[in-house]
Amino acid sequence: EIVLTQSPGTLSLSPGERATLSCRASQSVSSNFLAWYQQKRGQAPRLLIYDASSRATGIPDRFSGSGSGTDFTLTISRLEPEDFAVYYCQQYGSSPQTFGPGTKVEVK
Amino acid sequence: QVQLVQSGAEVKKPGSSVKVSCKSSGGSFRNYAIQWVRQAPGQGLEWMGGVLPVFGLSDYAQKFQGRVTITADESTSTAYMELRSLTSEDTAVYYCAKLGVIAGRRGYFDSWGQGTLVTVSS
Repeated sequence: EIVLTQSPGTLSLSPGERATLSCRASQSVSSNFLAWYQQKRGQAPRLLIYDASSRATGIPDRFSGSGSGTDFTLTISRLEPEDFAVYYCQQYGSSPQTFGPGTKVEVK
Repeated sequence: QVQLVQSGAEVKKPGSSVKVSCKSSGGSFRNYAIQWVRQAPGQGLEWMGGVLPVFGLSDYAQKFQGRVTITADESTSTAYMELRSLTSEDTAVYYCAKLGVIAGRRGYFDSWGQGTLVTVSS
């Protein structure tokens, strides 16, 4: 099974700053089948990015995904107050599909 | 836009079973797999398995093999997840989610249910 590692565990930033979140896979993710989700407290996750770099419907363009193989990045260009949340990556290139442990983006 | 509505919270005794439902509306139920993901308190997301209604095919994470059954009823556009032999370690919020890939058996999850809290306690 592919193990995903996310870093940092917690990111402390101010609104307006740029956030860079990392997701590293224990082996290459087939076809770059990697997604990113945002989860706020008490809510279900929300799909942000799929296939490593495609934005989901309705997702603002300040969210962008990049990377390939084993190294992937989610970038939030300018943090809005509603962006402070936990972010998970997920790979679906191999069975079983797996999630990373998450990165919490908190207000500095 | 697909909406997934799950059944309500459950409190169960150790050793018992729980069955959670997930009703879909607003899209093609039969052609998209419904998956189940759980989240223990304060923890991350864990994929459990899923079902592709059009073929009636189910897939399960190895960790839950033999203890979970995921089914789909096309007549009511409802998916079900039954988990047996519950322990306190199964206390979690259980989510259903729709795959974004037609007729796929794994993929990204583009719609989620609201979650169902299952508490296992004696």
